[in-house]
Amino acid sequence: AQRVTQPEKLLSVFKGAPVELKCNYSYSGSPELFWYVQYSRQRLQLLLRHISRESIKGFTADLNKGETSFHLKKPFAQEEDSAMYYCALISGGSEKLVFGKGTKLTVNP
Amino acid sequence: GAGVSQSPRYKVAKRGQDVALRCDPISGHVSLFWYQQALGQGPEFLTYFQNEAQLDKSGLPSDRFFAERPEGSVSTLKIQRTQQEDSAVYLCASSLYGFEQYFGPGTRLTVT
Repeated sequence: AQRVTQPEKLLSVFKGAPVELKCNYSYSGSPELFWYVQYSRQRLQLLLRHISRESIKGFTADLNKGETSFHLKKPFAQEEDSAMYYCALISGGSEKLVFGKGTKLTVNP
Repeated sequence: GAGVSQSPRYKVAKRGQDVALRCDPISGHVSLFWYQQALGQGPEFLTYFQNEAQLDKSGLPSDRFFAERPEGSVSTLKIQRTQQEDSAVYLCASSLYGFEQYFGPGTRLTVT
C-alpha cells in the first residue's frame, strides 16, 4: 500500500537557520512526489514537485529512491515560511494524491 | 481567474441529517477530486471524476457518502444520516491534465 510518513508533527527554527522537513514514502513503483503548503487562513497549494526540479521560494527537494525519501530543504528560513507542509505522492496509473500527516513549521524571529 | 470555490464554507448538522457540499472547479478543468481532512491529519482521498465519469470512489468511507458531477463541471458531495465521525474539512480540487491539483478553501462540517 502507498504511504507517506512525515515524522515531525512540529518543527521550530530561528530565522536564517537551515530547515529540513522530512518525508519518507512506501511504494513499490516510481511515484511522483510533491510538497504542498498551507499558510495560515489560506488554501492548500502546490509548493514543488520532483519532476520539475525547480526551486520555489528557496526550497528544494531531492528524491532519493534508495532511501525512499523526499526531504524538503531551505538553507535560510524566513518568518514567512511558517506554515503547514504536506508531502504527497501520486502512484502510476492514478491521479489521486496520498498525503502525509503534515509538519507545522514555525520560524521564529 | 477564479480558483476552485466551495460552498458552504461552514456547515453544522445534527446527527442523522443529510448534507450536500458543493464544489465549483476551475473552468475547463477535466479532473475533480474530493478529499476529507480530519483534525490534525493530512487530506485523505475520497473520490475522483474525469468529466462526468466517476473513475475512482475507493476512498468513500461508507455508502452514506455519494458524489456526483452530472455535467462534468460542478460537483456535489452528499452525506446521508451524518455521524459525528464525519466531522472534518472536505476539500475539493481540480486539475486540467497531469498532476497539479488546485484546491478549494474547503467546507468545515461539524456534526453535533
